[in-house]
Amino acid sequence: EAGVVQSPRYKIIEKKQPVAFWCNPISGHNTLYWYRQNLGQGPELLIRYENEEAVDDSQLPKDRFSAERLKGVDSTLKIQPAELGDSAVYLCASSFSASNEKLFFGSGTQLSVL
Amino acid sequence: GENVEQHPSTLSVQEGDSAVIKCTYSDSASNYFPWYKQELGKGPQLIIDIRSNVGEKKDQRIAVTLNKTAKHFSLHITETQPEDSAVYFCAAIDSGGYQKVTFGTGTKLQVIP
Repeated sequence: EAGVVQSPRYKIIEKKQPVAFWCNPISGHNTLYWYRQNLGQGPELLIRYENEEAVDDSQLPKDRFSAERLKGVDSTLKIQPAELGDSAVYLCASSFSASNEKLFFGSGTQLSVL
Repeated sequence: GENVEQHPSTLSVQEGDSAVIKCTYSDSASNYFPWYKQELGKGPQLIIDIRSNVGEKKDQRIAVTLNKTAKHFSLHITETQPEDSAVYFCAAIDSGGYQKVTFGTGTKLQVIP
Protein backbone atom coordinates (compact mmCIF):
# COMPACT_ATOMS: atom_id res chain seq x y z
CA GLU A 1 0.00 0.00 0.00
CA ALA A 2 1.39 3.37 -0.98
CA GLY A 3 1.89 5.85 1.80
CA VAL A 4 1.23 9.57 1.82
CA VAL A 5 2.98 11.10 -1.17
CA GLN A 6 4.24 14.66 -1.18
CA SER A 7 6.01 16.72 -3.78
CA PRO A 8 8.34 18.38 -4.24
CA ARG A 9 10.80 17.09 -1.62
CA TYR A 10 12.78 20.32 -1.62
CA LYS A 11 12.02 23.84 -2.77
CA ILE A 12 14.25 26.89 -2.71
CA ILE A 13 12.71 30.24 -3.58
CA GLU A 14 13.36 33.90 -3.06
CA LYS A 15 11.16 35.88 -0.72
CA LYS A 16 8.00 37.32 -2.21
CA GLN A 17 7.77 34.44 -4.69
CA PRO A 18 4.83 32.02 -4.68
CA VAL A 19 5.22 28.33 -3.88
CA ALA A 20 2.89 25.33 -3.87
CA PHE A 21 3.04 21.92 -2.25
CA TRP A 22 1.09 18.86 -3.29
CA CYS A 23 -0.12 15.90 -1.24
CA ASN A 24 -1.79 12.63 -2.14
CA PRO A 25 -3.08 10.84 0.98
CA ILE A 26 -3.42 7.11 1.51
CA SER A 27 -6.27 5.73 -0.55
CA GLY A 28 -9.49 5.71 1.44
CA HIS A 29 -8.32 8.21 4.03
CA ASN A 30 -10.95 10.89 4.39
CA THR A 31 -9.08 13.19 6.76
CA LEU A 32 -6.08 15.18 5.53
CA TYR A 33 -3.81 17.46 7.51
CA TRP A 34 -1.16 20.00 6.64
CA TYR A 35 1.46 20.62 9.31
CA ARG A 36 4.42 22.95 9.47
CA GLN A 37 7.54 21.80 11.28
CA ASN A 38 10.16 24.37 12.19
CA LEU A 39 13.69 23.21 12.85
CA GLY A 40 13.94 21.46 16.21
CA GLN A 41 10.22 21.65 16.87
CA GLY A 42 7.22 19.37 16.69
CA PRO A 43 4.69 19.60 13.87
CA GLU A 44 2.09 22.36 14.16
CA LEU A 45 -1.28 22.05 12.47
CA LEU A 46 -2.07 24.47 9.67
CA ILE A 47 -5.31 23.01 8.34
CA ARG A 48 -7.41 19.87 8.59
CA TYR A 49 -9.81 18.57 5.94
CA GLU A 50 -12.69 16.16 6.30
CA ASN A 51 -13.18 15.06 2.70
CA GLU A 52 -13.24 18.35 0.79
CA GLU A 53 -14.27 20.52 3.74
CA ALA A 54 -11.74 22.48 5.75
CA VAL A 55 -12.91 21.84 9.33
CA ASP A 56 -10.02 23.55 11.11
CA ASP A 57 -8.01 26.31 9.51
CA SER A 58 -7.63 28.45 12.60
CA GLN A 59 -3.82 28.27 12.49
CA LEU A 60 -3.52 28.99 8.78
CA PRO A 61 -2.12 32.49 8.07
CA LYS A 62 -4.85 33.37 5.64
CA ASP A 63 -3.25 36.53 4.35
CA ARG A 64 -0.65 34.50 2.49
CA PHE A 65 -1.51 30.82 2.83
CA SER A 66 -4.27 28.98 1.01
CA ALA A 67 -5.19 25.34 0.61
CA GLU A 68 -7.62 23.28 -1.35
CA ARG A 69 -8.84 19.71 -1.57
CA LEU A 70 -11.32 19.99 -4.37
CA LYS A 71 -12.32 16.36 -4.89
CA GLY A 72 -11.68 15.19 -1.36
CA VAL A 73 -8.54 13.31 -2.35
CA ASP A 74 -5.29 15.13 -3.07
CA SER A 75 -4.57 18.57 -1.72
CA THR A 76 -2.47 21.63 -2.50
CA LEU A 77 -1.04 24.14 -0.04
CA LYS A 78 0.07 27.48 -1.42
CA ILE A 79 2.05 30.40 -0.04
CA GLN A 80 1.94 33.74 -1.81
CA PRO A 81 4.07 35.71 -1.23
CA ALA A 82 6.62 33.69 0.73
CA GLU A 83 8.53 35.31 3.59
CA LEU A 84 11.85 34.37 5.16
CA GLY A 85 10.04 33.01 8.22
CA ASP A 86 8.16 30.49 6.10
CA SER A 87 11.28 28.35 5.80
CA ALA A 88 10.29 25.02 7.35
CA VAL A 89 9.26 21.47 6.50
CA TYR A 90 5.66 21.21 5.38
CA LEU A 91 4.18 17.83 6.25
CA CYS A 92 1.01 16.27 4.96
CA ALA A 93 -0.72 13.56 6.96
CA SER A 94 -3.87 11.53 6.57
CA SER A 95 -6.08 9.34 8.68
CA PHE A 96 -8.94 7.01 7.85
CA SER A 97 -11.50 9.24 9.50
CA ALA A 98 -11.86 12.05 11.99
CA SER A 99 -12.39 9.53 14.78
CA ASN A 100 -9.29 7.56 13.87
CA GLU A 101 -6.43 9.28 15.63
CA LYS A 102 -3.60 7.39 13.92
CA LEU A 103 -1.86 9.77 11.57
CA PHE A 104 0.22 8.69 8.60
CA PHE A 105 2.74 11.30 7.47
CA GLY A 106 4.41 11.95 4.17
CA SER A 107 8.11 12.74 3.94
CA GLY A 108 7.44 16.44 3.74
CA THR A 109 8.57 19.33 1.58
CA GLN A 110 11.56 21.25 2.88
CA LEU A 111 11.12 24.90 1.96
CA SER A 112 13.96 27.39 2.03
CA VAL A 113 13.10 31.04 1.46
CA LEU A 114 16.13 33.18 0.62
CA GLY B 1 -5.62 24.70 24.66
CA GLU B 2 -3.44 21.68 25.24
CA ASN B 3 0.24 22.14 26.05
CA VAL B 4 2.66 19.22 25.84
CA GLU B 5 6.14 19.46 27.33
CA GLN B 6 8.80 16.89 26.45
CA HIS B 7 12.15 16.14 28.11
CA PRO B 8 14.99 15.74 27.49
CA SER B 9 15.57 17.53 24.20
CA THR B 10 18.62 15.36 23.49
CA LEU B 11 19.60 11.96 24.83
CA SER B 12 22.71 9.88 24.19
CA VAL B 13 22.92 6.28 25.32
CA GLN B 14 25.27 3.39 24.73
CA GLU B 15 24.01 0.59 22.57
CA GLY B 16 22.20 -1.93 24.72
CA ASP B 17 21.25 0.57 27.41
CA SER B 18 17.72 1.82 28.04
CA ALA B 19 16.32 5.22 27.06
CA VAL B 20 13.45 7.06 28.70
CA ILE B 21 11.64 10.10 27.32
CA LYS B 22 9.06 11.93 29.40
CA CYS B 23 6.10 14.15 28.50
CA THR B 24 3.56 16.11 30.48
CA TYR B 25 0.25 17.46 29.25
CA SER B 26 -2.11 20.09 30.58
CA ASP B 27 -5.60 19.24 29.32
CA SER B 28 -7.31 16.62 31.47
CA ALA B 29 -9.66 15.89 28.54
CA SER B 30 -6.80 14.39 26.53
CA ASN B 31 -7.25 10.64 26.36
CA TYR B 32 -5.03 9.36 23.57
CA PHE B 33 -1.23 9.59 23.62
CA PRO B 34 0.77 8.47 20.59
CA TRP B 35 4.52 8.44 20.12
CA TYR B 36 6.12 9.16 16.77
CA LYS B 37 9.62 8.43 15.51
CA GLN B 38 11.09 10.74 12.88
CA GLU B 39 14.19 9.71 11.00
CA LEU B 40 16.24 12.24 9.09
CA GLY B 41 14.49 13.40 5.96
CA LYS B 42 11.30 11.49 6.71
CA GLY B 43 7.93 12.24 8.21
CA PRO B 44 7.00 11.10 11.72
CA GLN B 45 5.93 7.48 12.02
CA LEU B 46 3.65 6.15 14.75
CA ILE B 47 5.49 3.59 16.88
CA ILE B 48 3.23 3.07 19.88
CA ASP B 49 0.19 4.64 21.50
CA ILE B 50 -1.76 4.43 24.73
CA ARG B 51 -5.25 5.37 25.79
CA SER B 52 -6.19 6.87 29.11
CA ASN B 53 -7.95 3.73 30.32
CA VAL B 54 -4.68 1.79 30.58
CA GLY B 55 -1.52 2.50 32.50
CA GLU B 56 1.06 0.68 30.41
CA LYS B 57 1.49 -0.80 26.96
CA LYS B 58 4.40 -2.75 25.60
CA ASP B 59 5.50 -3.74 22.11
CA GLN B 60 8.74 -5.70 22.00
CA ARG B 61 11.51 -3.31 23.07
CA ILE B 62 9.33 -0.25 23.47
CA ALA B 63 6.80 0.53 26.17
CA VAL B 64 4.73 3.50 27.19
CA THR B 65 3.44 4.31 30.66
CA LEU B 66 0.72 6.78 31.56
CA ASN B 67 -0.04 8.47 34.87
CA LYS B 68 -3.33 10.20 34.26
CA THR B 69 -3.47 11.75 37.72
CA ALA B 70 -0.12 13.43 37.28
CA LYS B 71 -0.74 14.09 33.58
CA HIS B 72 2.47 12.57 32.39
CA PHE B 73 3.47 9.72 30.14
CA SER B 74 6.79 8.19 29.18
CA LEU B 75 8.41 6.20 26.40
CA HIS B 76 10.82 3.44 27.38
CA ILE B 77 13.16 1.81 24.90
CA THR B 78 15.16 -1.16 26.15
CA GLU B 79 18.22 -2.78 24.60
CA THR B 80 18.73 0.22 22.34
CA GLN B 81 20.20 -0.29 18.89
CA PRO B 82 21.83 2.19 16.49
CA GLU B 83 18.71 2.14 14.33
CA ASP B 84 16.77 3.59 17.25
CA SER B 85 18.63 6.86 16.67
CA ALA B 86 16.01 9.41 15.60
CA VAL B 87 13.84 12.22 16.91
CA TYR B 88 10.92 11.07 19.02
CA PHE B 89 7.74 13.10 19.51
CA CYS B 90 5.01 12.57 22.03
CA ALA B 91 1.51 13.89 21.41
CA ALA B 92 -1.80 14.28 23.19
CA ILE B 93 -5.30 14.18 21.73
CA ASP B 94 -8.79 14.65 23.05
CA SER B 95 -10.45 11.91 21.01
CA GLY B 96 -13.91 12.71 22.23
CA GLY B 97 -13.74 16.38 21.52
CA TYR B 98 -12.04 18.46 18.93
CA GLN B 99 -9.38 15.80 18.25
CA LYS B 100 -6.63 18.32 17.76
CA VAL B 101 -3.21 16.69 17.98
CA THR B 102 -0.70 18.61 20.08
CA PHE B 103 2.91 17.49 19.68
CA GLY B 104 5.79 17.83 22.09
CA THR B 105 8.99 19.54 21.00
CA GLY B 106 10.85 16.31 20.34
CA THR B 107 13.78 14.34 21.76
CA LYS B 108 16.81 13.60 19.63
CA LEU B 109 18.03 10.16 20.63
CA GLN B 110 21.52 9.07 19.73
CA VAL B 111 22.51 5.46 20.31
CA ILE B 112 26.28 5.11 20.39
CA PRO B 113 27.57 1.78 19.05
